[in-house]
Amino acid sequence: SQQGEEDPQALSIQEGENATMNCSYKTSINNLQWYRQNSGRGLVHLILIRSNEREKHSGRLRVTLDTSKKSSSLLITASRAADTASYFCATDAWEGAQKLVFGQGTRLTINP
Amino acid sequence: EAQVTQNPRYLITVTGKKLTVTCSQNMNHEYMSWYRQDPGLGLRQIYYSMNVEVTDKGDVPEGYKVSRKEKRNFPLILESPSPNQTSLYFCASSKLAGGPISNYEQYFGPGTRLTVT
Repeated sequence: SQQGEEDPQALSIQEGENATMNCSYKTSINNLQWYRQNSGRGLVHLILIRSNEREKHSGRLRVTLDTSKKSSSLLITASRAADTASYFCATDAWEGAQKLVFGQGTRLTINP
Repeated sequence: EAQVTQNPRYLITVTGKKLTVTCSQNMNHEYMSWYRQDPGLGLRQIYYSMNVEVTDKGDVPEGYKVSRKEKRNFPLILESPSPNQTSLYFCASSKLAGGPISNYEQYFGPGTRLTVT
């Protein structure tokens, strides 16, 4: 089952610009998480937003959640070369499931 | 240091030769899971375990086995590997102390790159 779908699949921007990536999902969720993966490495948790929250910040990261549209966005401000990575959203597979489902990810490239 | 370890990190094997990929965590986490990652398909869950002796199928369990005899270990067994199991495999763990799994941050291992010829 594919719950989270990221958009775009790939994004290339200049260092210092902001990067926005989106995630859509199909069923009701309890929480939505975002992860980062550097090439070929394990995923690293970035931020968790609960279904009753609309926006959350962590450093240069800003996450929004719109449960009516079943979508979330991750904004990285003032991007740096080190932000080059793939970004994944993860949600409950379905209500009551003890499974997370990850999207296919957005591959972000920051050009110096 | 809190971590999830996987071994081996790289493995090239032949069709039909049984193999085990080990996963161990030192955070006393209840929940452990295995994922495979393939280009264009993202991360797909193979099996998960909510505690010792409790395992359940994920989205792509065919051809794999797991066991959870101890809280810290969750090995992935390929009884008869085939070329379509060539992939990058990740083990992950998290707390599970009431409520949905999405309440909890997943900690991922470094990955095992498996090639089956």
